[in-house]
Amino acid sequence: EPEVTQTPSHQVTQMGQEVILRCVPISNHLYFYWYRQILGQKVEFLVSFYNNEISEKSEIFDDQFSVERPDGSNFTLKIRSTKLEDSAMYFCASSDLAGRAKYGYTFGSGTRLTVV
Amino acid sequence: QKEVEQNSGPLSVPEGAIASLNCTYSDRGSQSFFWYRQYSGKSPELIMSIYSNGDKEDGRFTAQLNKASQYVSLLIRDSQPSDSATYLCAATYSSASKIIFGSGTRLSIRP
Repeated sequence: EPEVTQTPSHQVTQMGQEVILRCVPISNHLYFYWYRQILGQKVEFLVSFYNNEISEKSEIFDDQFSVERPDGSNFTLKIRSTKLEDSAMYFCASSDLAGRAKYGYTFGSGTRLTVV
Repeated sequence: QKEVEQNSGPLSVPEGAIASLNCTYSDRGSQSFFWYRQYSGKSPELIMSIYSNGDKEDGRFTAQLNKASQYVSLLIRDSQPSDSATYLCAATYSSASKIIFGSGTRLSIRP
């Protein structure tokens, strides 16, 4: 079964440092998403991405965040200057053209980001 | 603010019994509804989707949707210890550009 792959599985960074979280979506999918889940809290939408641009973003996705599809396979989330409250699990997801969000997403296994 | 609401639980059900999980949503324009299962420290796993009023069955799982009441439920028959997890209800916004999750219901199946 096709998978969404995320790397690294766990990243520890110092406050103020930049981090890049990487995702390889399912190959024929065209819609990509980032979600985060702070420990013990709900899965929160960050951003959706289609056709090399942001489709929608939440109020969490401020100027410290950016997304990019640097090549045909990777989809990245960059946090420019990490804060303690950015510590969370970050999930990448993708969906195909026909479904968009309609048929549900396939999530990657997540990156646990710890800011110290 | 568009919301998906769930009782956080924990819901404790004996092995072999039916587990019933419920969810309400606020966006009347939502068209698609999902149940995800999430084990501790893992990513959400899609187990059921439902788009029209009524019941949808898949193995031991039955999803129910009532758009008039803005209510979604999940029934798990013959509950197994491996069903112990957090169950996330989710719905699309009317634009279908994203899925919004509830906070999840923790389900515990006791042997």
